[in-house]
Amino acid sequence: ETGVTQSPTHLIKTRGQQVTLRCSSQSGHNTVSWYQQALGQGPQFIFQYYREEENGRGNFPPRFSGLQFPNYSSELNVNALELDDSALYLCASSSGTSGGNYEQYFGPGTRLTVT
Amino acid sequence: GQNIDQPTEMTATEGAIVQINCTYQTSGFNGLFWYQQHAGEAPTFLSYNVLDGLEEKGRFSSFLSRSKGYSYLLLKELQMKDSASYLCAVRDNSNYQLIWGAGTKLIIKP
Repeated sequence: ETGVTQSPTHLIKTRGQQVTLRCSSQSGHNTVSWYQQALGQGPQFIFQYYREEENGRGNFPPRFSGLQFPNYSSELNVNALELDDSALYLCASSSGTSGGNYEQYFGPGTRLTVT
Repeated sequence: GQNIDQPTEMTATEGAIVQINCTYQTSGFNGLFWYQQHAGEAPTFLSYNVLDGLEEKGRFSSFLSRSKGYSYLLLKELQMKDSASYLCAVRDNSNYQLIWGAGTKLIIKP
């Protein structure tokens, strides 16, 4: 069973640029959630995809967008990068979305630095 | 509003017991999770509570009181490897997103 993988591991971008982060969900999981985690803080929910459709979104501006593909892998796109976007971006997959003990399995994260 | 409170940092001795508290105020409730996160790593699942009471899993136990908006994580027979941040998260039942606390950094001393 393959776990959740994310790429790249680290990334440095300049303010105003665009970035795409990738996530491959655990085998058998159809739900992917993306989180932003600043240093010393808990993860902040960005959005969730279930069977290729966004079915939940946190308090993030529209320049944060995403996709989920038929194989349930996912992308997070951030446009017009700002310095405050520097954080660890975590992807988590699970086998359901409508409640219950749908434990989320996290990938190792992508550390994004915006200069 | 949505709010989850945990102590910022706690210190305990190897072999001892420690209790990490979490209080929450959320618009909905559909379960509470505890995760462990070592520095520079992703969170890993520890426990899930949706009904009141105690859930025990080896050295770790988690308790929930929905009427009080309160949970705790109990760690027994502490080991040095238990030094990590412990995150409390509540699932909101409006859109099933997880709302996270800032985490409690647990320092274990010999």
